[in-house]
Amino acid sequence: GEDVEQSLFLSVREGDSSVINCTYTDSSSTYLYWYKQEPGAGLQLLTYIFSNMDMKQDQRLTVLLNKKDKHLSLRIADTQTGDSAIYFCAERWGSGGGADGLTFGKGTHLIIQP
Amino acid sequence: DTAVSQTPKYLVTQMGNDKSIKCEQNLGHDTMYWYKQDSKKFLKIMFSYNNKELIINETVPNRFSPKSPDKAHLNLHINSLELGDSAVYFCASSPRRGSETQYFGPGTRLLVL
Repeated sequence: GEDVEQSLFLSVREGDSSVINCTYTDSSSTYLYWYKQEPGAGLQLLTYIFSNMDMKQDQRLTVLLNKKDKHLSLRIADTQTGDSAIYFCAERWGSGGGADGLTFGKGTHLIIQP
Repeated sequence: DTAVSQTPKYLVTQMGNDKSIKCEQNLGHDTMYWYKQDSKKFLKIMFSYNNKELIINETVPNRFSPKSPDKAHLNLHINSLELGDSAVYFCASSPRRGSETQYFGPGTRLLVL
């Protein structure tokens, strides 16, 4: 079945870039996502990328997709204390008839050091 | 304006009770979902509901039953609550099945004592 893997923790210094990595197994995924969850809060859609793209940039966020290796990364430039959260990688499965939904990784806890 | 809302935000109850969590979306979306996030923050899909068609994740116990009175609402009813049901339950919606965006509600934190 579908599986999404990511490291559980990442620690960076304030002002540095953070790179959160993710691997997935379903080659038929249409979209891949990054969600952010702050403590006690819900899931915020940060960005997503269509599977036929290899890069997407949105202000401080850069998403890179290597479809051959099934590898997705999220780079956060100039990391701030407000970026401290859990970041979930997710892949979209299903289209047309039948079930569909997101499969999530276990989340990467981003820890910001002053 | 809240796009996807859930009530209640917190729910504390005893084992064996029956409870419901409500979800509403005002986005005009066709497809809605329920996800469960356990104490280790692992998120898994429970149900998807599209145009009166319910797709159930086979690992979900049949004590859980989603009910959709209309396209904007997908409620989750849980019978005979167990300790292991304690989790955060997220509702989500999507314009249509397979579309690129899926928006999540704020979550309902359920604690079974």
